[in-house]
Amino acid sequence: DGGITQSPKYLFRKEGQNVTLSCEQNLNHDAMYWYRQDPGQGLRLIYYSQIVNDFQKGDIAEGYSVSREKKESFPLTVTSAQKNPTAFYLCASKAGRNEQFFGPGTRLTVL
Amino acid sequence: AQSVTQLDSHVSVSEGTPVLLRCNYSSSYSPSLFWYVQHPNKGLQLLLKYTSAATLVKGINGFEAEFKKSETSFHLTKPSAHMSDAAEYFCVVSERLAGGSYIPTFGRGTSLIVHP
Repeated sequence: DGGITQSPKYLFRKEGQNVTLSCEQNLNHDAMYWYRQDPGQGLRLIYYSQIVNDFQKGDIAEGYSVSREKKESFPLTVTSAQKNPTAFYLCASKAGRNEQFFGPGTRLTVL
Repeated sequence: AQSVTQLDSHVSVSEGTPVLLRCNYSSSYSPSLFWYVQHPNKGLQLLLKYTSAATLVKGINGFEAEFKKSETSFHLTKPSAHMSDAAEYFCVVSERLAGGSYIPTFGRGTSLIVHP
């Protein structure tokens, strides 16, 4: 089956720790995106990548980092510099002007 | 610059009655427009899309939307609500930016509540 997967589904982090969220797609899409969703709010763009080995900051990139070494993979690291990381994180991929395909999300909780 | 406004944060309907979720957009060029649905703690699923073909777009689960350029609107409708339609709905606009990339812009979402 073609699709986009995220892991883990739930993640707990202690304050001061870095954690990495996985996002993998087998849709052969060039573009990939990371969004943060807080309760009652829409999606806010963290980072996006239009092609391998290239990525750009979105609206709320501070405290986050990404890499795009392979077309299929776009991991997101939430660093200790992110002061309020508890949220639902969504990864998406897209081909050209077509629709985005979303993963099932990762819920990150800081203990 | 592109933007999208979902005019209602919450819409409440009774099962079997029509649904109307409103969306207005702003775009410099010919945009693509999308509606997505999100059930609690899930990813987003595409309901329908407009990409410069027919202005009345039919989607999944009986939903449809009409692109009205003169009104810069893309409202989502369904003739008869079902309990399973209760979810969060997002309107999205996407246009080609300088450099050739497409960066979607999301509305803040509309929560659809369906009463039995």
